[in-house]
Amino acid sequence: DTEVTQTPKHLVMGMTNKKSLKCEQHMGHRAMYWYKQKAKKPPELMFVYSYEKLSINESVPSRFSPECPNSSLLNLHLHALQPEDSALYLCASSRARGQNEKLFFGSGTQLSVL
Amino acid sequence: DAKTTQPNSMESNEEEPVHLPCNHSTISGTDYIHWYRQLPSQGPEYVIHGLTSNVNNRMASLAIAEDRKSSTLILHRATLRDAAVYYCIWRMDSSYKLIFGSGTRLLVRP
Repeated sequence: DTEVTQTPKHLVMGMTNKKSLKCEQHMGHRAMYWYKQKAKKPPELMFVYSYEKLSINESVPSRFSPECPNSSLLNLHLHALQPEDSALYLCASSRARGQNEKLFFGSGTQLSVL
Repeated sequence: DAKTTQPNSMESNEEEPVHLPCNHSTISGTDYIHWYRQLPSQGPEYVIHGLTSNVNNRMASLAIAEDRKSSTLILHRATLRDAAVYYCIWRMDSSYKLIFGSGTRLLVRP
């Protein structure tokens, strides 16, 4: 199984809503990542978890709150988002953090903030 | 962060080889070069990576210049399914980050 599964595939939310994005992998990977991708732009790194601990936060606003409850799951909690936060949110995993490791990406959650 | 330079777009005919260039002029000796591609409506997909010598796998070949300031991704026979955005990524030894550059949009003509 080399799949990273993201749910939901699409999400529409208002600026006062609270929602969560979920990501799951069963490859035994110990590093997990959140990326944000705007239309026709490259993915931008948001967070990196290693062994369930947050190791990198790319100065992401606090309205985005990541969580890694165990080695297979990664969540992104959303609260009080702005319309400019509408984007494709991608989750990825790798065996470890090293630069020789390859990342496996999910298909993403397309988020629209109204 | 490590910056790579790629052409915005390239075109190829089906069944012909494609050479996708990438410049990474300030790369250090221990930094890897990674290539990913993103097909429409999908997440990025790993293609290949290397450090110094040329690398081959079932998807592509990676040719790294002797001075390591540039590299070329080679698709030996382009198919319509290879139409995607190809990202060259310089992954720094000191960082765990995979930072995407602007990428090259490959169009494959039948």
